[in-house]
Amino acid sequence: DAGVIQSPRHEVTEMGQEVTLRCKPISGHDYLFWYRQTMMRGLELLIYFNNNVPIDDSGMPEDRFSAKMPNASFSTLKIQPSEPRDSAVYFCASSLLPGTQYFGPGTRLTVL
Amino acid sequence: DAKTTQPTSMDCAEGRAANLPCNHSTISGNEYVYWYRQIHSQGPQYIIHGLKNNETNEMASLIITEDRKSSTLILPHATLRDTAVYYCIVKLMSNTGKLIFGQGTTLQVKP
Repeated sequence: DAGVIQSPRHEVTEMGQEVTLRCKPISGHDYLFWYRQTMMRGLELLIYFNNNVPIDDSGMPEDRFSAKMPNASFSTLKIQPSEPRDSAVYFCASSLLPGTQYFGPGTRLTVL
Repeated sequence: DAKTTQPTSMDCAEGRAANLPCNHSTISGNEYVYWYRQIHSQGPQYIIHGLKNNETNEMASLIITEDRKSSTLILPHATLRDTAVYYCIVKLMSNTGKLIFGQGTTLQVKP
């Protein structure tokens, strides 16, 4: 298996623009997680899905952030409008068991 | 989920065993200990987990004390590629999927 696939790997955008991050989980995994990592706050869970249904979105910072999982093989994290403080590395992870998560390579987002 | 305490940083000589401690004195009986690591610029990587018995896999060994208040991750023959931040996490297996990553231990393997 190719592992968790994320795209793009790098994104540079200007404040106010819409940003969409994409994730393809490992086939057969029914949990999908979105994390954000910054130097100041470390690695934070934003939201996670089980069988395509959002279970816990308490980590989503505000209404500018939204996540969807239209099917078992694809998820998106959208930021609209983006702000400089959203600059971070965003990781997607998937798992069959809740604690054993497999992370993607991450998307490094820079908002100017 | 119980809180964990880890040293901020550690050094290890290449080829020697790296022993990374973790304190989880408030762990409850049905909480598991998980270890992940994050190599620079990569996503976190699952290493191993256990409940009360010692566990070993191809990457590492996990030693959990009898009272379960602390554990040690052992990398038997550390290499330069093992330089990373190591996270000890305690969570309920039956709980939701939430993993709380702390600051971890930065392990520097030196030649």
